[in-house]
Amino acid sequence: QKEVEQDPGPLSVPEGAIVSLNCTYSNSAFQYFMWYRQYSRKGPELLMYTYSSGNKEDGRFTAQVDKSSKYISLFIRDSQPSDSATYLCAMSGNAGNMLTFGGGTRLMVKP
Amino acid sequence: KAGVTQTPRYLIKTRGQQVTLSCSPISGHRSVSWYQQTPGQGLQFLFEYFSETQRNKGNFPGRFSGRQFSNSRSEMNVSTLELGDSALYLCASSQGQGALGYTFGSGTRLTVV
Repeated sequence: QKEVEQDPGPLSVPEGAIVSLNCTYSNSAFQYFMWYRQYSRKGPELLMYTYSSGNKEDGRFTAQVDKSSKYISLFIRDSQPSDSATYLCAMSGNAGNMLTFGGGTRLMVKP
Repeated sequence: KAGVTQTPRYLIKTRGQQVTLSCSPISGHRSVSWYQQTPGQGLQFLFEYFSETQRNKGNFPGRFSGRQFSNSRSEMNVSTLELGDSALYLCASSQGQGALGYTFGSGTRLTVV
């Protein structure tokens, strides 16, 4: 079993919908939680990161971490066709460590 | 400000050959990390270099190696290529050591035939 599990999708939603993306993990040592967006033929770009448990909001994006359940989420409000991409969760034990990634969820937002 | 540059973008090699991939980090970034991305395994950490020293290494065979030069540019080498080495190889740079503040390049797509 992988350390970080993520539903591969694809997830197809209409424009304007609220999108929920999730990851579960098994390693309780993870403390930094990140969400990356990857467009086709591009490298991942960091959307948000959260330290330990809690919520963080940035524009249309909200990241939630529940360490007790080993569950993290990314919510996208008012989704746009330009949000169509693969979303990767990633985790680290401390700021200096390598990242462990989920397999990615492919999101398609239809006009 | 130039981003992370990886060359070449695409590469086709034959089983048994070796290959060298290059990564030029953002100016001022001293940490360079390499990841392998495949449909089955996703992104997996290969190694991290900081100031020409390998600081972390992932769980890959010794056929995968890397180095970093004094100008922070990094290369990774894969010897005795196998079909399973076909992947997108991504390089990420950051100012300090480690994963926070990563900027990824667009990757090198390696196909082994």
